[in-house]
Amino acid sequence: NAGVTQTPKFQVLKTGQSMTLQCAQDMNHNSMYWYRQDPGMGLRLIYYSASEGTTDKGEVPNGYNVSRLNKREFSLRLESAAPSQTSVYFCASSGPNVDNEQFFGPGTRLTVL
Amino acid sequence: DQQVKQNSPSLSVQEGRISILNCDYTNSMFDYFLWYKKYPAEGPTFLISISSIKDKNEDGRFTVFLNKSAKHLSLHIVPSQPGDSAVYFCAASASSNSGYALNFGKGTSLLVTP
Repeated sequence: NAGVTQTPKFQVLKTGQSMTLQCAQDMNHNSMYWYRQDPGMGLRLIYYSASEGTTDKGEVPNGYNVSRLNKREFSLRLESAAPSQTSVYFCASSGPNVDNEQFFGPGTRLTVL
Repeated sequence: DQQVKQNSPSLSVQEGRISILNCDYTNSMFDYFLWYKKYPAEGPTFLISISSIKDKNEDGRFTVFLNKSAKHLSLHIVPSQPGDSAVYFCAASASSNSGYALNFGKGTSLLVTP
């Protein structure tokens, strides 16, 4: 099992460009999440999908959109990138219960110039 | 507003001694708490968790203590090893919230010196 995979690993964008971060999990998990980590800030939730076909906003959703393509895949889209979106982005997945741990991908390091 | 707080950005401990990492939370709806460990350039990995119906959970060298009345939890690592050097994140979730998303603290960077 690969667990949670993310592509790309690194990306540099210019202000105003768009891109989609891809995430896939092979653990048959219901729930998937997108977080961002900034220096000294911990991880903050951008969007999550509690089950296939549903998505909800997290703490910092502005400037992002998501798509739960199927049970395995959950993508994060930046329509018009801004320097404030420079961050490390982590995708995670978990089972359906509150005591199911979340498994994280290796992250995508995004720089917006 | 930060609902999970880790007030010590860093901690240095000698190999073989105990490491104690602390975490406070403000939301009384949180009923599940987790600790994650993170190495540079990797995603966080789950370490240990505790439900609000317990006050202690142990897994090998790692023990988490929960004090609900104080809204405080701590992670004890005994004995500490150099390989434990990493950033440790405290996280909390509420079973009343859809999706059980995690609220993270800012992390404590642990350095275990030989």
